[in-house]
Amino acid sequence: GDSVTQMEGPVTLSEEAFLTINCTYTATGYPSLFWYVQYPGEGLQLLLKATKADDKGSNKGFEATYRKETTSFHLEKGSVQVSDSAVYFCALQGAQKLVFGQGTRLTINP
Amino acid sequence: SQTIHQWPATLVQPVGSPLSLECTVEGTSNPNLYWYRQAAGRGLQLLFYSVGIGQISSEVPQNLSASRPQDRQFILSSKKLLLSDSGFYLCAWSVHKAGEAFFGQGTRLTVV
Repeated sequence: GDSVTQMEGPVTLSEEAFLTINCTYTATGYPSLFWYVQYPGEGLQLLLKATKADDKGSNKGFEATYRKETTSFHLEKGSVQVSDSAVYFCALQGAQKLVFGQGTRLTINP
Repeated sequence: SQTIHQWPATLVQPVGSPLSLECTVEGTSNPNLYWYRQAAGRGLQLLFYSVGIGQISSEVPQNLSASRPQDRQFILSSKKLLLSDSGFYLCAWSVHKAGEAFFGQGTRLTVV
């Protein structure tokens, strides 16, 4: 069945460091891919998405490219900030259901 | 605009008692509806999803059940709660495959 595997956390970086959070997926057909973010004390919200192969989603300096050949959707940011500290979830939307990875807790130190 | 209501926000229930969590969506028709559980320090586990009235798909065998009596109403139930049912339960909806999913505020269930 459909599944998402995320890089295990927690991840701790210094401000202005480069960030990569790995995400790979298994799915039948052609799913849409998403990154959601959960800031401390808040609910989940969409960060970015890509709906077909080679699409690049971007928002708030974060980027992720839908790679069909490697079944991956890695999240990247060139220079992180303290305000980026949160839990990040990779997700795929198949024909019917929305499946999430286990989440990666990111902490950015000043 | 679309909104999602989930209640109650917090619930403490004794082992063996029944459970009913309700989720309603406003401002959209025929949404896909989902129940997730988020255990402490862990990810989002999909429990049930529904693509239409009376259509429920279960992802994980467990002590819970779900029902969709109306287009925009999704209910999570249990006849007898277990300690292991404790967790943070989230309801969500989406309109179509490529659409964003919107989450309720969640219910923190503690079984004692």
